[in-house]
Formats: sequence, structure tokens, C-alpha cells
Amino acid sequence: GDSVTQMEGPVTLSEEAFLTINCTYTATGYPSLFWYVQYPGEGLQLLLKATKADDKGSNKGFEATYRKETTSFHLEKGSVQVSDSAVYFCALSPLGGFQKLVFGTGTRLLVSP
Amino acid sequence: EAQVTQNPRYLITVTGKKLTVTCSQNMNHEYMSWYRQDPGLGLRQIYYSMNVEATDKGDVPEGYKVSRKEKRNFPLILESPSPNQTSLYFCASSSGLAGDTGELFFGEGSRLTVL
Repeated sequence: GDSVTQMEGPVTLSEEAFLTINCTYTATGYPSLFWYVQYPGEGLQLLLKATKADDKGSNKGFEATYRKETTSFHLEKGSVQVSDSAVYFCALSPLGGFQKLVFGTGTRLLVSP
Repeated sequence: EAQVTQNPRYLITVTGKKLTVTCSQNMNHEYMSWYRQDPGLGLRQIYYSMNVEATDKGDVPEGYKVSRKEKRNFPLILESPSPNQTSLYFCASSSGLAGDTGELFFGEGSRLTVL
């Protein structure tokens, strides 16, 4: 079945470091891909999304490119801040919609000053 | 303010004592869903609803019931809770418009402990 695999955390970085969180997926057809972020004590919120191959989603300095050839959607940020500390979830929508969103296990990011 | 509201936020209960976690959204969304979050497993979908009186099972529906009698409300019912239902639960909603690939709006979560 459809699945999402994320790198295990926690990822520990110093402020202003470069961030990459890897995400690969398995799906039939052409899923939509998402990154959600969960700040401590809060629900998840959409960070960015891409709906077709080679699309780049971006928001708040984060970027991810939909790579069909490598079935990947890696999250990157050039310079992280302490306020970026959170859990990041990669997700896919196998029907091209949102009804059966499949989440990865999440990657915790810890950024120190 | 657009939001998804869950109650209670925290609950400790005992095995077999029926409980309901309420979920309400004020965005006139068609679609609502329940997820549980467990360490190492990420989020798993329990049930979802495409509209009033239309519900369907997700990946882990056993031990849960839902109803959708009004558009804004989507309660999660545990008829006879067991310790393996100890988890963090999230309600989410979306507009459900045709061609909408997007955004789910999540509540703040309900942490349930079953002793």
C-alpha cells in the first residue's frame, strides 16, 4: 500500500545551520505531497505542498521539490532558527485529494542558540 | 477565528467506561476526520466523513465509533475503552471542494489515558 518514510530524529542543529529532512514515498499514480509541522502542544499545520512532479512547495523559508524519479520530497531550509524546533511530518494523498492522507512517522527538529 | 475545537484536551479514564471526544469546526467544512498519534507510528486515520451522515473507516477504526449529524460536529466515541487506546487524538477538517488537494486544519489534540 501507500506509505511515507522519513528519516528518524531527533535532528539537532545550531541556529543558522542548513536543514535537510529526508522523505521518500511509495504510491501508485500521482499523489500530492505535503509537509506538516507540529509545534509543542499544538495540532499539525500545513507547511507546504506540491501536487505534481517537479513542483516546488515553499513557505517560511522552507522548500521541498516533488521528485518523481526518486520518489522523494525532502524538506530543506537554508538557515534554521530556534523557533523552527518542532516535529515535521511528510504526508501524501494517494487519491490526489485529502481523504486518505498518509503520514510519515515524523522527525523532531531541535535547534539550539 | 477559524478553528477546530476538541474537548476534552486531557482525560484519564478506566477500562470499559464509555467516553466521547467532541470535535467542532467553524469553517463550514464538508470533510472531517479523526487521527491518533502514537510514538514511532506517526498519525493514523481512524474515521473520516465527507459530509453529514456520510462516514467511512480509516486505517484503524476498531474500537471507535463516529457520527456526523451536523456539519460542524464530528464526535469520536469509545464505547468500551481499552489501554491500547491510550493515545493522542486529533480531529481535522477540510473544505472538501472538488479538486482541492489541500490543507487539513487540525485541532489541538486530546490526550487520552485508559487505565
